[in-house]
Amino acid sequence: GESVGLHLPTLSVQEGDNSIINCAYSNSASDYFIWYKQESGKGPQFIIDIRSNMDKRQGQRVTVLLNKTVKHLSLQIAATQPGDSAVYFCAESGEYGNKLVFGAGTILRVKS
Amino acid sequence: GAVVSQHPSWVICKSGTSVKIECRSLDFQATTMFWYRQFPKQSLMLMATSNEGSKATYEQGVEKDKFLINHASLTLSTLTVTSAHPEDSSFYICSARGVPHFIQETQYFGPGTRLLVL
Repeated sequence: GESVGLHLPTLSVQEGDNSIINCAYSNSASDYFIWYKQESGKGPQFIIDIRSNMDKRQGQRVTVLLNKTVKHLSLQIAATQPGDSAVYFCAESGEYGNKLVFGAGTILRVKS
Repeated sequence: GAVVSQHPSWVICKSGTSVKIECRSLDFQATTMFWYRQFPKQSLMLMATSNEGSKATYEQGVEKDKFLINHASLTLSTLTVTSAHPEDSSFYICSARGVPHFIQETQYFGPGTRLLVL
């Protein structure tokens, strides 16, 4: 079902440091995962995705890691910049057919 | 590629009026579009899924007569909030999935529409 988070966890990092945002997913049958970035007042923006037959996928400055054993997903952002400040959501798909199920979200704050 | 637009970006209306929000895929054909609602500091809540040319599938607890969804073409879906009340005030976001060169499950989101009902 959908995820509700009245108190989103916050990750504060210094500009230039690496960020790691974690997500625990619920359904072991999920086979596709996406990370989205949502800036204030805007719609979610696709960052990177990964299928369950992979453990790691890299993009530009971002890496997604998938641990199916413990149903854990992480997003690593290298050399974090002020423009990376946003809410980050993981989403899973698979058993739900068309649907994506979103995690509660994590606020990333980058300090200059 | 994979650009989705929404119109209007924000709307203020009086209680009892109806509001229509448009969602368009600008550079791809969207076989499926989704409508979400998001409250402050919360995650996205799926309201309904619409496939082009067929009736929308609503999530449990979402009133289909209140939130009318039409997906008349492969590039346009509309959400009409009928007889809006203050509790309908929210951020409404659509997303779209394309064919066939996009990964099937990937949804691309519009910028959202802020609705305020007075």
